[in-house]
Amino acid sequence: DTAVSQTPKYLVTQMGNDKSIKCEQNLGHDTMYWYKQDSKKFLKIMFSYNNKELIINETVPNRFSPKSPDKAHLNLHINSLELGDSAVYFCASSRRPGGRSTEAFFGQGTRLTVV
Amino acid sequence: GNSVTQMEGPVTLSEEAFLTINCTYTATGYPSLFWYVQYPGEGLQLLLKATKADDKGSNKGFEATYRKETTSFHLEKGSVQVSDSAVYFCALSDRENNDMRFGAGTRLTVKP
Repeated sequence: DTAVSQTPKYLVTQMGNDKSIKCEQNLGHDTMYWYKQDSKKFLKIMFSYNNKELIINETVPNRFSPKSPDKAHLNLHINSLELGDSAVYFCASSRRPGGRSTEAFFGQGTRLTVV
Repeated sequence: GNSVTQMEGPVTLSEEAFLTINCTYTATGYPSLFWYVQYPGEGLQLLLKATKADDKGSNKGFEATYRKETTSFHLEKGSVQVSDSAVYFCALSDRENNDMRFGAGTRLTVKP
């Protein structure tokens, strides 16, 4: 069983479209994240949710909207896609804050290409 | 806010050479520290971690020691292999809110 799974793995779409990336974790974790990795491998946090509550919302265009229907899922919806949104998007999860073991477990990534 | 600075590279070494990748951090609290590795086309995998000062994390021949006095967590390996070629990320996690921040990543290439 995959611990953190995200779909789709590849997504090619035209500018202006709206798309969603789904993420599910079966680890029983309370915290979930979305990260964006650019072509230079730089990894930037976008959002963090703890028990369905938004904790971190970095400076991300409001075209990006996360949705957490339950604590095992954190989906990312992107409106009006732009060329600069092309990147690899990673979902991750970790245990609840305050503990010692707060390492994050990552999905395999979704490579988004906007043409 | 919290942040991580690491040697950006790229780093190219011959097989069996000694590896050091420097990492320093800035944190308001008392974070946990991590090294992650990303192989081509894959997600990030935890390589090692340390949760308090003077802890040494180790795995697969890699080591890093949590140095509070120098706010550092340098990654070392005594003898690298071709299979170690990957991108390495230093990271910290704030225990208050699980805010996990990553360094810029260091691409390591090991040649036979």
